[in-house]
Amino acid sequence: RKEVEQDPGPFNVPEGATVAFNCTYSNSASQSFFWYRQDCRKEPKLLMSVYSSGNEDGRFTAQLNRASQYISLLIRDSKLSDSATYLCVVFSGYSTLTFGKGTMLLVSP
Amino acid sequence: DAEITQSPRHKITETGRQVTLACHQTWNHNNMFWYRQDLGHGLRLIHYSYGVHDTNKGEVSDGYSVSRSNTEDLPLTLESAASSQTSVYFCASSVSRSTEAFFGQGTRLTVV
Repeated sequence: RKEVEQDPGPFNVPEGATVAFNCTYSNSASQSFFWYRQDCRKEPKLLMSVYSSGNEDGRFTAQLNRASQYISLLIRDSKLSDSATYLCVVFSGYSTLTFGKGTMLLVSP
Repeated sequence: DAEITQSPRHKITETGRQVTLACHQTWNHNNMFWYRQDLGHGLRLIHYSYGVHDTNKGEVSDGYSVSRSNTEDLPLTLESAASSQTSVYFCASSVSRSTEAFFGQGTRLTVV
């Protein structure tokens, strides 16, 4: 099983829709979790950290489920500008952050 | 504002040449990383450093080297460029191993 797995998508949604991505991780001792956003041919940028209690930033909500070893990202009221690839990132306690391959989101008018 | 910068942003080189990609950060972060990104593979770790004079191999280190002589810089050297090293290279830095990493804008390298 890969350390961090994501559905590559693409997820095609209309503007205004709600969309959710999940990401599973293999190491139950993982300590830190993040969602990054990457636009085409640009650098990854931190979208939000994921806390045990869950956290929300505007239209974005991140959740952590340690029992089932997955994190989720919910985007409400999707905008055209949300079109990007979303990377799940986990620190498992070894040496460095582990990046998933990303889930592509396409928001259409 | 503190930042992380890479240079050059684009480079074309010939097979067999030595190439060095620069990465400079002004956050005073101890940790610095080099990744390459190719279609179908996501980000793959090449080398990383936890501090001055510390360097470690990542999952795809063959053909690459780094050195860390100060906190701000982690140059990546391709000893003898190969066409398989055509890729987009990202440098990143972080405060600690478990905290978020911040990325440079990337270097697009083409080996012909």
